[in-house]
Amino acid sequence: DVKVTQSSRYLVKRTGEKVFLECVQDMDHENMFWYRQDPGLGLRLIYFSYDVKMKEKGDIPEGYSVSREKKERFSLILESASTNQTSMYLCASSKTGGGAANVLTFGAGSRLTVL
Amino acid sequence: EDQVTQSPEALRLQEGESSSLNCSYTVSGLRGLFWYRQDPGKGPEFLFTLYSAGEEKEKERLKATLTKKESFLHITAPKPEDSATYLCAVRDYNAGNMLTFGGGTRLMVKP
Repeated sequence: DVKVTQSSRYLVKRTGEKVFLECVQDMDHENMFWYRQDPGLGLRLIYFSYDVKMKEKGDIPEGYSVSREKKERFSLILESASTNQTSMYLCASSKTGGGAANVLTFGAGSRLTVL
Repeated sequence: EDQVTQSPEALRLQEGESSSLNCSYTVSGLRGLFWYRQDPGKGPEFLFTLYSAGEEKEKERLKATLTKKESFLHITAPKPEDSATYLCAVRDYNAGNMLTFGGGTRLMVKP
């Protein structure tokens, strides 16, 4: 019954490494999102995509990039990981339109530690 | 800029002790207010959507209400399995598909 799948639950990387976080949804949703969650700061939007190959910056895009080559897949890329990017990363998806479009379905999260 | 503030940050209750969580918000035009539940190590799980002042939604021991400035999540006779972090988020008419989240309230219910 899993609908939003994040490929890695736990990752440990070194400063300067390139990091890929993958997210796949099987609900045919148009919109996909990447958030990071930190204690005391809540969920903050990094990037979102409303269609294949389309992307919009969220509140904290610096140091991140994204890729959406297929409707079901949305990748978050850290070109050169830094210690301040240690966090829980959450992927979510939603439909476009009224009503159900408001509801985000989240993945289980990817906890990244950068040493 | 949209703002969402949740209080308290943490709440400890005894089993059966009813209480309320608060979510205060500032938006230019509310398109929806959402409550999510998040268990440790998991992603948030959708609970309710409220669209207009006066609206109420219920699910088991949870009841969400909405005014023009805040929302409450009332928990009646909570059980230990209700322990989780509860997140509130708003969607603004001017923000497209983006939600603004509050910091959450961590609820602990002791048996």
